[in-house]
Amino acid sequence: KAGVTQTPRYLIKTRGQQVTLSCSPISGHRSVSWYQQTPGQGLQFLFEYFSETQRNKGNFPGRFSGRQFSNSRSEMNVSTLELGDSALYLCASRSWTGGPDTQYFGPGTRLTVL
Amino acid sequence: AQSVTQLDSHVSVSEGTPVLLRCNYSSSYSPSLFWYVQHPNKGLQLLLKYTSAATLVKGINGFEAEFKKSETSFHLTKPSAHMSDAAEYFCVVSGSGGGADGLTFGKGTHLIIQP
Repeated sequence: KAGVTQTPRYLIKTRGQQVTLSCSPISGHRSVSWYQQTPGQGLQFLFEYFSETQRNKGNFPGRFSGRQFSNSRSEMNVSTLELGDSALYLCASRSWTGGPDTQYFGPGTRLTVL
Repeated sequence: AQSVTQLDSHVSVSEGTPVLLRCNYSSSYSPSLFWYVQHPNKGLQLLLKYTSAATLVKGINGFEAEFKKSETSFHLTKPSAHMSDAAEYFCVVSGSGGGADGLTFGKGTHLIIQP
């Protein structure tokens, strides 16, 4: 079974621009979560989507948004980029059984904001 | 609310010697606990998970962890370190409802293997 895929792997943007990252979950997984990883703050939960609905959200400003499509693929958007948004953005998928499902991570998208 | 504390930011061991990475957790629910490993420029790979079954959990690559409720600990061990074990290790707690609060990560422990 193919793993979680994320595109693009690397991005360079300038302040004020917006960016869209894409994530394709493992086949059959219906939940997608997004995380931000930075040297200072570590790994932080952004949000989770299931059945095209945001189910939970971490403590991030409204500039960070996402959506999920009917095929479970997800996109994350960051508007009005700031230097501090430079990070590795990780996507994870799980099957959503209602229990403590394991989340499987993709390789990440490295975003650099200049 | 849930939290995770990894007690060491860096651990250095010699190849062939035991590895101990320490983790304490706090959770309002019966927690699910995980250890993930991240090699440079790679995503996170699951090593093992605890979900209220056996307290001693065996994972991949010879790693295991023991859940101790009385000590709120979930330390990761390996009897004999290998050079390929050099990586960043994250202890992770998941809340109730299948992770409805998202995963909460520790700050990570950088494992260094000396030849």
